Amino acid sequence: GAVVSQHPSWVICKSGTSVKIECRSLDFQATTMFWYRQFPKQSLMLMATSNEGSKATYEQGVEKDKFLINHASLTLSTLTVTSAHPEDSSFYICSARVVLAGSPGYNEQFFGPGTRLTVL
Amino acid sequence: GEDVEQSLFLSVREGDSSVINCTYTDSSSTYLYWYKQEPGAGLQLLTYIFSNMDMKQDQRLTVLLNKKDKHLSLRIADTQTGDSAIYFCAEVDNSGAGSYQLTFGKGTKLSVIP
Repeated sequence: GAVVSQHPSWVICKSGTSVKIECRSLDFQATTMFWYRQFPKQSLMLMATSNEGSKATYEQGVEKDKFLINHASLTLSTLTVTSAHPEDSSFYICSARVVLAGSPGYNEQFFGPGTRLTVL
Repeated sequence: GEDVEQSLFLSVREGDSSVINCTYTDSSSTYLYWYKQEPGAGLQLLTYIFSNMDMKQDQRLTVLLNKKDKHLSLRIADTQTGDSAIYFCAEVDNSGAGSYQLTFGKGTKLSVIP
């Protein structure tokens, strides 16, 4: 199946610094990528939808100036957590959407392995 | 808005069948999914079912869909210790109004007792 990678897999940073997380679709092109945040023992919370070549669409309550998303190519989307604080510590997961030919309307999202962010 | 509900925990003995249940509220859901998440990892798509189907079987996995009651279940036959993970139910609205966003349940943690 399609592979999505994330880098780094884990990062520890000091409060006030910025952290960039990369999401790559390795063997397919993804016009749409999604960024999720997962708290311990909780479900995935969609943060934003990223479309190649256009601005990301943020979910209600997600600060667009704090979580900068760039989707400059069909295989790469980045999430930058600016001026990180301890409450930003979380597991961030991206996914890339593929529309499968021959199955109208069916789309599958392939998930990256996640990035564990710890802000001290 | 859409809501997906799951029980949080399930414990079964190795070799028994596991049944994980899910309810959803969005009547325009077109596809419903089951994902598996192992500790510290991303999500792996296990199986999916189209909303006009009521059953789908894939090796040890059986998905049952009751569209009238908006109830989805995942049955794992002959459960193994490697099946221990968190299982997420998810639905997507492909009606064209949204951007094919997935709505996830909170996940059911399956523990398999040897």
